[in-house]
Amino acid sequence: KNQVEQSPQSLIILEGKNCTLQCNYTVSPFSNLRWYKQDTGRGPVSLTIMTFSENTKSNGRYTATLDADTKQSSLHITASQLSDSASYICVVTTFTGGGNKLTFGTGTQLKVEL
Amino acid sequence: DAGVIQSPRHEVTEMGQEVTLRCKPISGHNSLFWYRQTMMRGLELLIYFNNNVPIDDSGMPEDRFSAKMPNASFSTLKIQPSEPRDSAVYFCASSLRDFHNSPLHFGNGTRLTVT
Repeated sequence: KNQVEQSPQSLIILEGKNCTLQCNYTVSPFSNLRWYKQDTGRGPVSLTIMTFSENTKSNGRYTATLDADTKQSSLHITASQLSDSASYICVVTTFTGGGNKLTFGTGTQLKVEL
Repeated sequence: DAGVIQSPRHEVTEMGQEVTLRCKPISGHNSLFWYRQTMMRGLELLIYFNNNVPIDDSGMPEDRFSAKMPNASFSTLKIQPSEPRDSAVYFCASSLRDFHNSPLHFGNGTRLTVT
C-alpha cells in the first residue's frame, strides 16, 4: 500500500534555531516528492518539488533533501522565525498508466516560540 | 494573480440539507482538484478534472457527493443530503495540465460544519 509517513507529529523550537522534519515513503513507482507549508486556516503552499535525480533543493531558509534509494526525505529549516509556525506536509507523486496520483502525509505541526 | 478562490469560507448547515461549495481556479490552469481535510485522515483527494473533464472520481465518498466543472473558470462540489460526518475543510486546487512536475495551488478552503 502506498504510504507517506512523517515525523515527528509535532515539534516546538525556539526562534532562531534550526530544525529537520522527516518523511519516509513506500509509494511506488516514484515520480517526485513535494513539500508543502500550511498555515492555520489557509491552504497548503508549495515549497519544493524534487525528482528522482535531485538530492537537494532549497527555497530560502528551507532545504529539502531526497534519498530515493532509502525512500527518505527531510526538510531543514534554518534560523527559524515565528512565521515558520505551520504544518509541513510531504507529498509523493506516482505516475502510472492510470495517470498522476499524489499521496499525502499527515504532516508535522511546527511551533516556533520566542 | 488572485490565486484559487473558494466560497463560502465557512458553511454551517443542518443534516439533510444541500450544500454547494464553489471554486474559481487560476486562469490558464487546466487541472482542478477537490480535496477534503480532517484531523484524522489529513488531505484526501475527492475528484480531479483535466480540461473540465472528470479524470479520477474514485475518492468521492458516495452518491451524495457530486462535482461539476461547466467551464474552465468554475467548479462546484455538491453534497446532498449532508451528514455530520461530512464536516471537514474542503479545498480546491488548480495546476497546469501537466501537474506531474507542477505545483498545486490551493485555495483557502471552505470549513463545513453539519449539525
